[in-house]
Amino acid sequence: GAVVSQHPSWVICKSGTSVKIECRSLDFQATTMFWYRQFPKQSLMLMATSNEGSKATYEQGVEKDKFLINHASLTLSTLTVTSAHPEDSSFYICSARDGGRQTGTEAFFGQGTRLTVV
Amino acid sequence: AQTVTQSQPEMSVQEAETVTLSCTYDTSESDYYLFWYKQPPSRQMILVIRQEAYKQQNATENRFSVNFQKAAKSFSLKISDSQLGDAAMYFCAYEGSNYQLIWGAGTKLIIKP
Repeated sequence: GAVVSQHPSWVICKSGTSVKIECRSLDFQATTMFWYRQFPKQSLMLMATSNEGSKATYEQGVEKDKFLINHASLTLSTLTVTSAHPEDSSFYICSARDGGRQTGTEAFFGQGTRLTVV
Repeated sequence: AQTVTQSQPEMSVQEAETVTLSCTYDTSESDYYLFWYKQPPSRQMILVIRQEAYKQQNATENRFSVNFQKAAKSFSLKISDSQLGDAAMYFCAYEGSNYQLIWGAGTKLIIKP
């Protein structure tokens, strides 16, 4: 199956600094990527939908100025957590579909990034 | 708005036996897709099985099969001949016309050796 690579796998940063997480589709073009946040023992919470060449669509309650999403190419989307605080500590997951907006196809997921803000 | 409900926070099964995980959903759409994803301790999400709502035949993938009841809005996952490697969190997900996945709360599956 298709591969989505997410980097880094884990990161520790100091409060007040910014952290960038990359999500790459390695063997397909992903017009649309999705960013999720997952709290311990909970389900995935959609944060935003990232469309190549346009602004991301954020879910209600997600601060777009704190969680900056850039989808500059068909194979790369980035999530930057700005001015991180301990409450931003979480597991972040990206996913992408081969063929972009086609419904019903398998969504491929990155390995996830565990962010710890100290 | 669509919702997905998994009412079993945790299930356990003896190795080699069969277990069924429940999922119900609510939607007003007639055309949609349903998925079961597995998240092992590595936390990598893995597609287990997919069902297209317009297909009456239940999807099957080796030891994994679903019981899709469209009228009842039910989509259960049956795992036959359970193996230790099946231990994971299992998430039921719905995809409708906006191509976003709506997730259930998950069921933790424990396999007893």
